[in-house]
Amino acid sequence: DAGVTQSPTHLIKTRGQHVTLRCSPISGHKSVSWYQQVLGQGPQFIFQYYEKEERGRGNFPDRFSARQFPNYSSELNVNALLLGDSALYLCASSPRDGYGYTFGSGTRLTVV
Amino acid sequence: TQLLEQSPQFLSIQEGENLTVYCNSSSVFSSLQWYRQEPGEGPVLLVTVVTGGEVKKLKRLTFQFGDARKDSSLHITAAQTGDTGLYLCAGGDTGFQKLVFGTGTRLLVSP
Repeated sequence: DAGVTQSPTHLIKTRGQHVTLRCSPISGHKSVSWYQQVLGQGPQFIFQYYEKEERGRGNFPDRFSARQFPNYSSELNVNALLLGDSALYLCASSPRDGYGYTFGSGTRLTVV
Repeated sequence: TQLLEQSPQFLSIQEGENLTVYCNSSSVFSSLQWYRQEPGEGPVLLVTVVTGGEVKKLKRLTFQFGDARKDSSLHITAAQTGDTGLYLCAGGDTGFQKLVFGTGTRLLVSP
């Protein structure tokens, strides 16, 4: 079975632009979470979705938004990019509400 | 705000040595997970501990959850070069909905 897949793997954007990151969970997993990992730090929680409903939101500005689709895949959107948004964005899926996470390899976003 | 502090931040040892990584918080967590992350990859779950005082062993790795569920430790016996990586502890709330990750311990095991 395929693991958690994220696209794109790398992305370079200019300050002020918008970005959309995509995540496909493991087949049968209904929960998807997003984390931001800045270089040299541990991941920070952004969002969690279960059955297409937002179940948790971290301390991130409204420029960050996400959604989960009927097939349980998910998108993370970031508007008005800042240099500080440069990070590895990780998606994790689990079979039920937040249990037993499997992480994808992440999307490396660089804002210049 | 829940915070998890890991120590040491960086550890460089020789193959065959033993080591312990600590994960401490002033907050109580319902569960504690340990992950290993390699460059360019996402974290890989090693273990989940949920009961205060619980000890779990995974081959040469021993994980312990503190009695008060505020701290945890990871002990590696006879380290191997394949153990090299970033070790992250993560505390979970009741519903596992949000993981609070520690600051990470970067381990380098040399031959």
